[in-house]
Amino acid sequence: AQSVTQPDIHITVSEGASLELRCNYSYGATPYLFWYVQSPGQGLQLLLKYFSGDTLVQGIKGFEAEFKRSQSSFNLRKPSVHWSDAAEYFCAVGGFGNEKLTFGTGTRLTIIP
Amino acid sequence: GAGVSQSPSNKVTEKGKDVELRCDPISGHTALYWYRQRLGQGLEFLIYFQGNSAPDKSGLPSDRFSAERTGESVSTLTIQRTQQEDSAVYLCASRLDRAANSPLHFGNGTRLTVT
Repeated sequence: AQSVTQPDIHITVSEGASLELRCNYSYGATPYLFWYVQSPGQGLQLLLKYFSGDTLVQGIKGFEAEFKRSQSSFNLRKPSVHWSDAAEYFCAVGGFGNEKLTFGTGTRLTIIP
Repeated sequence: GAGVSQSPSNKVTEKGKDVELRCDPISGHTALYWYRQRLGQGLEFLIYFQGNSAPDKSGLPSDRFSAERTGESVSTLTIQRTQQEDSAVYLCASRLDRAANSPLHFGNGTRLTVT
């Protein structure tokens, strides 16, 4: 069975500081990995995705993520956060021939001045 | 172009009543999903439609839950005899095709409160 673990429920970061949100997955084949962001009262917006190739992927809003197969991880990073980055972040895993995405429980990001 | 549209955005209902939630996917998207998001939790898969194929209902939590989709258009999620534990945000998403690397596009959800 596939699963996603986001070990940090809530993270607080100062504006301008760097950010790393952790994501570990379990999947029996080559995974397709996604990060989504959810602002209050909104649906989920895709930040970035990994299917194959370069293990460092760039997304929107200055985010990037690195796929590490040996660690079954797909951590999300941003070098300098902005107050507008405060939101809930979800990691998800799927795969070839598997139409269902499995989501983690999310990490809530708070930005302090 | 328009994104995924869900209605109503908020719904308050009494325990025991039936509710119907609506999702308008992006035009041309063949795949449609329903997820449930309980307060402080992740997304829980409910049901998946792909074109005219039989839907994957494996995530529906009980027989009180059902969903329909006509062709590649609107979908409705129906919850009969609502219970307080049904209170959640119900998210609909569509994708262009069944390819697993095709990203999901989400609506803003319907917040259901059962009193």
